[in-house]
Amino acid sequence: EDKVVQSPLSLVVHEGDTVTLNCSYEVTNFRSLLWYKQEKKAPTFLFMLTSSGIEKKSGRLSSILDKKELFSILNITATQTGDSAVYLCAVERSGNQFYFGTGTSLTVIP
Amino acid sequence: GAGVSQSPSNKVTEKGKDVELRCDPISGHTALYWYRQSLGQGLEFLIYFQGNSAPDKSGLPSDRFSAERTGGSVSTLTIQRTQQEDSAVYLCASSLEGVTDTQYFGPGTRLTVL
Repeated sequence: EDKVVQSPLSLVVHEGDTVTLNCSYEVTNFRSLLWYKQEKKAPTFLFMLTSSGIEKKSGRLSSILDKKELFSILNITATQTGDSAVYLCAVERSGNQFYFGTGTSLTVIP
Repeated sequence: GAGVSQSPSNKVTEKGKDVELRCDPISGHTALYWYRQSLGQGLEFLIYFQGNSAPDKSGLPSDRFSAERTGGSVSTLTIQRTQQEDSAVYLCASSLEGVTDTQYFGPGTRLTVL
């Protein structure tokens, strides 16, 4: 059965800390892995990863994919209170199907 | 420019009634997606439209769910004979050409089935 598992489920850190969020998957006919930041109702797209070992970076956020070990990590450095959100990982398989993890809830304390 | 819009923003209905949710994608975007998020659950993919191609409907939760996209633009998600477990936030997203493009999400429709 195809599945996406995120860890930890929740995380509380202080401003300035660095966090690493994990996403492992078992999905047949893998096409891509996506990270989203969800605040309130609508997720904001962060990264799409298709190739192993190539880091994608946007400001303090970065992500990398390992297609051999079937996981991805999302790193956030120098965290700020505005980073508090649920971070979702999704895997796309061929046939236009997506599988989402349950998310990691990040709380950044001032 | 205008983003993805959805209507209504909130819908309360009685069990057994039909509901219709609307999504207006960003102008020029050929790809449109429907998702559902239930309380405490992750984001659940429902269906994806790419241009005028027939969508893969296997992600829809049951045969009470159907979706259309008219003229490659506006989409409607219809739920027939609603059940309490259909209560969720229904999110629509669009992207320029396909799944390799950034998906822009609408604000969602909160559906409550009493």
